[in-house]
Amino acid sequence: EVQLAESGGGLVQPGGSLRLSCVASGFTLRSYEMNWVRQAPGKGLEWVSYLSSSGGTMYYADSVKGRVTISRDNVKNALYLQMNSVRAEDTAVYYCARPPHSGYSAYDGFDLWGQGTKVIVSS
Amino acid sequence: SYELTQPPSVSVFSGQTASISCSGDELGRKHASWYQQKPGQSPVLVIYQSTKRPSGIPARFSGSNSGNTATLTISGTQVTDEADYYCQAWDTSPGNSYVFGTGTKVTVL
Repeated sequence: EVQLAESGGGLVQPGGSLRLSCVASGFTLRSYEMNWVRQAPGKGLEWVSYLSSSGGTMYYADSVKGRVTISRDNVKNALYLQMNSVRAEDTAVYYCARPPHSGYSAYDGFDLWGQGTKVIVSS
Repeated sequence: SYELTQPPSVSVFSGQTASISCSGDELGRKHASWYQQKPGQSPVLVIYQSTKRPSGIPARFSGSNSGNTATLTISGTQVTDEADYYCQAWDTSPGNSYVFGTGTKVTVL
């Protein structure tokens, strides 16, 4: 079955670090452009980061730029989001998301989402 | 930064047509996607490239995009369509980023 499964969320203190993981099943992650999207409690969706299928291009939302790093492990077929210097406003459910087609797909939206992992930043 | 604005809420009687707007500068020059999200669930793609439906999405969902506004239309709205809906676009100016709309809560009466 084609699916994404996030993990790694939890309670972290302000200023701390956390690494989120997204393991892909049923398809090869490196063939797709991948993204992280988050949703704060009671709020809307916010795109966080993008990784190209080649692995050589990353984009970040201004709200996280300089504090998060997106990466991939082709052997483990997994996507990661390293979060550093976390803030209260980083509290959210974090989803990894995949477009419908491999290769360039900026206009195709995301048709595969994981169930999300919850990050709570609090002292 | 690029912004997409949606009405906070839309109400529609069961069986009638719901239209949800998404406004952004020259949005018609971009491709819009639309997502449905029910409470406690992950988003579901219902429209991509402004007008296309993924497989498995009912034909009552349709999209259009022109000028500064993209529109998601739900024809013959069903109670099961009650959800939050978000538009999305890929912005390349000044940087490269996806942008989500502010979201619209659709209530089926």
